[in-house]
Amino acid sequence: AQSVTQLDSHVSVSEGTPVLLRCNYSSSYSPSLFWYVQHPNKGLQLLLKYTSAATLVKGINGFEAEFKKSETSFHLTKPSAHMSDAAEYFCVVSVAGRRALTFGSGTRLQVQP
Amino acid sequence: DTGVSQNPRHKITKRGQNVTFRCDPISEHNRLYWYRQTLGQGPEFLTYFQNEAQLEKSRLLSDRFSAERPKGSFSTLEIQRTEQGDSAMYLCASRSGGTGANEQFFGPGTRLTVL
Repeated sequence: AQSVTQLDSHVSVSEGTPVLLRCNYSSSYSPSLFWYVQHPNKGLQLLLKYTSAATLVKGINGFEAEFKKSETSFHLTKPSAHMSDAAEYFCVVSVAGRRALTFGSGTRLQVQP
Repeated sequence: DTGVSQNPRHKITKRGQNVTFRCDPISEHNRLYWYRQTLGQGPEFLTYFQNEAQLEKSRLLSDRFSAERPKGSFSTLEIQRTEQGDSAMYLCASRSGGTGANEQFFGPGTRLTVL
């Protein structure tokens, strides 16, 4: 079985400050991990993915995530938040042979001016 | 626009009516997925097609739900005898083949409201 826990349902930061969105996963097999972002009235967009290569993954718009097997974590970070980063972020897990993605419940990021 | 498209974007219906949604995947993608997203939750898997074959169905997909992909291109999701609990965003995604962790590309969704 596989599951994802996003530790914060809401995160609020000021523009220009760092962003940290936390994710823990559970998987019986070596997982592939993703972060997707969902802006209002827009489709889900892939930010980045981990597929057992480098543990530090760089994505679009300055986001990156680090896979830590010992902590079963895949936290998303960005050094400096921008107003346009305000959105819902989903941590997602997939394992070989399981065709569907398993989503976390999401973290809503607010960016204050 | 060569992304995944879904129609309609919004659907309001009365309880007991049937509704049908359409998804047009990215043209070269042979794998197609349907998900359901309720307010405040992440998307949940409903069903999966590889070409025209429906290979997996979630327990969430009750017998009132049926999905088809007759020619391995577009797909339809039908809900019969809608209930208020069916109100949700229905998302379609597609991806290319292979065993790697290829990205699923999502459409904008169809928001269903059952009155």
